Amino acid sequence: KNEVEQSPQNLTAQEGEFITINCSYSVGISALHWLQQHPGGGIVSLFMLSSGKKKHGRLIATINIQEKHSSLHITASHPRDSAVYICVAGGGGADGLTFGKGTHLIIQP
Amino acid sequence: KAGVTQTPRYLIKTRGQQVTLSCSPISGHRSVSWYQQTPGQGLQFLFEYFSETQRNKGNFPGRFSGRQFSNSRSEMNVSTLELGDSALYLCASSRDRVILNTEAFFGQGTRLTVV
Repeated sequence: KNEVEQSPQNLTAQEGEFITINCSYSVGISALHWLQQHPGGGIVSLFMLSSGKKKHGRLIATINIQEKHSSLHITASHPRDSAVYICVAGGGGADGLTFGKGTHLIIQP
Repeated sequence: KAGVTQTPRYLIKTRGQQVTLSCSPISGHRSVSWYQQTPGQGLQFLFEYFSETQRNKGNFPGRFSGRQFSNSRSEMNVSTLELGDSALYLCASSRDRVILNTEAFFGQGTRLTVV
């Protein structure tokens, strides 16, 4: 069964700071997802990646398949980035998708 | 192309009632999997449907069931609702079975509140 670990669990930062959220998984996969969840809101899919790096606006996601590790970066963070960020690893177990417990990010003005 | 559509987005039900949630996958996708997120818990696997057949089921009671239609749209049903069933229910769509490491696309979720 794939184990997905995210760090940190909670992160509070000041507006404008560079944010990094990490995700490690135990079993090889071919696709990894980053999801964003605002309080009381639904899920927004940010990235799906299988290699290298993807960028969307101020968000950057990277993955290192050999090291079984992915990072989500937020540049010039803003209070509206405050949300829970969830890493999802595809495959590696009977469940198919394994979710990390999420990183609760708060950006203070 | 259209994304994964879950309906309704929000729902309030009374304890003891039953509820049906719907998930329309991306065109051409044959797998729909369902997940539950309760307050304080991570997302947990409920079940996966592929080509109209349930292929795998998580550790949930029999009150949770589902089905998939020939157009790949899936419904999940929860009978005899309990307060603890209040959760966000998320579905994911993929071309092949998720266990095969295929790319998955997520709906926005249905937030169910049981009162």
